[in-house]
Amino acid sequence: KQEVTQIPAALSVPEGENLVLNCSFTDSAIYNLQWFRQDPGKGLTSLLLIQSSQREQTSGRLNASLDKSSGRSTLYIAASQPGDSATYLCAVRAQGGSEKLVFGKGTKLTVNP
Amino acid sequence: DVKVTQSSRYLVKRTGEKVFLECVQDMDHENMFWYRQDPGLGLRLIYFSYDVKMKEKGDIPEGYSVSREKKERFSLILESASTNQTSMYLCASSFHQGAYGYTFGSGTRLTVV
Repeated sequence: KQEVTQIPAALSVPEGENLVLNCSFTDSAIYNLQWFRQDPGKGLTSLLLIQSSQREQTSGRLNASLDKSSGRSTLYIAASQPGDSATYLCAVRAQGGSEKLVFGKGTKLTVNP
Repeated sequence: DVKVTQSSRYLVKRTGEKVFLECVQDMDHENMFWYRQDPGLGLRLIYFSYDVKMKEKGDIPEGYSVSREKKERFSLILESASTNQTSMYLCASSFHQGAYGYTFGSGTRLTVV
């Protein structure tokens, strides 16, 4: 059974710092991996989607990498801002026709001015 | 802008009431999903639907049912609401074998008193 782990559960950094959020998964047979952002009391906003054949995806100050063989993905945030404060979740979709995503429990990021 | 719309942001219901949560997507997605999110437990899949009138149980279907009469609409039904169903409910949708990932709604915070 696929399990997704995000460590740490919470992270606090000063504004301007570059940071990395980690996501690991137990079964490397994935179809894709998606990173989401969630603000308190709100829904999930998709940030980046990486297909299993890709190594990384970039959007603005965000860069997500994928290493299937080791079961890891990282989300790199450059020059962090207070507005980046949110919970970040990763989710994987298995190969073999499953339509379901398996989610990690997220990393709560606080960027201090 | 494509989206998933949940009809209510906040809802307060009494124990024993029948509750309907509605979700509509405008992206012509085949798949639709209902999750609940609780502190410390993360996102848990309640039900999903891969086509009109088709449904499949997720991880925690007890106490819930669903209806999908039209492709764009997926309803979650609490047959007899209980206090342990107080939660954030999130709807999502995707294409079959979705190379484009999931899109989430903004969530419904349900309180059962």
